[in-house]
Amino acid sequence: ETGVTQTPRHLVMGMTNKKSLKCEQHLGHNAMYWYKQSAKKPLELMFVYNFKEQTENNSVPSRFSPECPNSSHLFLHLHTLQPEDSALYLCASSQVGQSYNEQFFGPGTRLTVL
Amino acid sequence: ILNVEQSPQSLHVQEGDSTNFTCSFPSSNFYALHWYRWETAKSPEALFVMTLNGDEKKKGRISATLNTKEGYSYLYIKGSQPEDSATYLCASNPGNQFYFGTGTSLTVIP
Repeated sequence: ETGVTQTPRHLVMGMTNKKSLKCEQHLGHNAMYWYKQSAKKPLELMFVYNFKEQTENNSVPSRFSPECPNSSHLFLHLHTLQPEDSALYLCASSQVGQSYNEQFFGPGTRLTVL
Repeated sequence: ILNVEQSPQSLHVQEGDSTNFTCSFPSSNFYALHWYRWETAKSPEALFVMTLNGDEKKKGRISATLNTKEGYSYLYIKGSQPEDSATYLCASNPGNQFYFGTGTSLTVIP
């Protein structure tokens, strides 16, 4: 157990649906991250929140909308996705300024867009 | 964008064999290099954080070395066991942002 949980673990949605992914960290960290992993590609950073403020948005399409209501919870709201958005979405957390910003990961949500 | 490369992409070894794989990263602005072990359907698990040139770290049968001047790190597994089967990821973070390689998928055949 890494102290980072994600729900749901699997999600199938149509292109017109709206769904949300949830991440919770129990480590007292002050930064949280969303990553996307597509087949045969490296983990790709999507969003970073430091102290609940979004500090990075790596040119992610607006159909992905993050929300960080507090330092322990992170959401990724999904709407009008495309089939190419099917991937594994990983959440991570870290304590910025400690242990070289070592990141702790959740198990991911496997998303399939039909 | 930082280009982090791992090789080989995949590896099959017999139980008891020792093995190693490589992570290459840009040596300029180096801050830290992270190794993770990622089993299917589980969370990536941190193995090592390496920061100093010449560093060598060990955890059980797994060890890692770091050369920041030439920009590479090796991960070694001695006497591989079936439970070592996983994807091994490395990441370089010149600051807060991590740049990952595509991983080396290791299968240990009993």
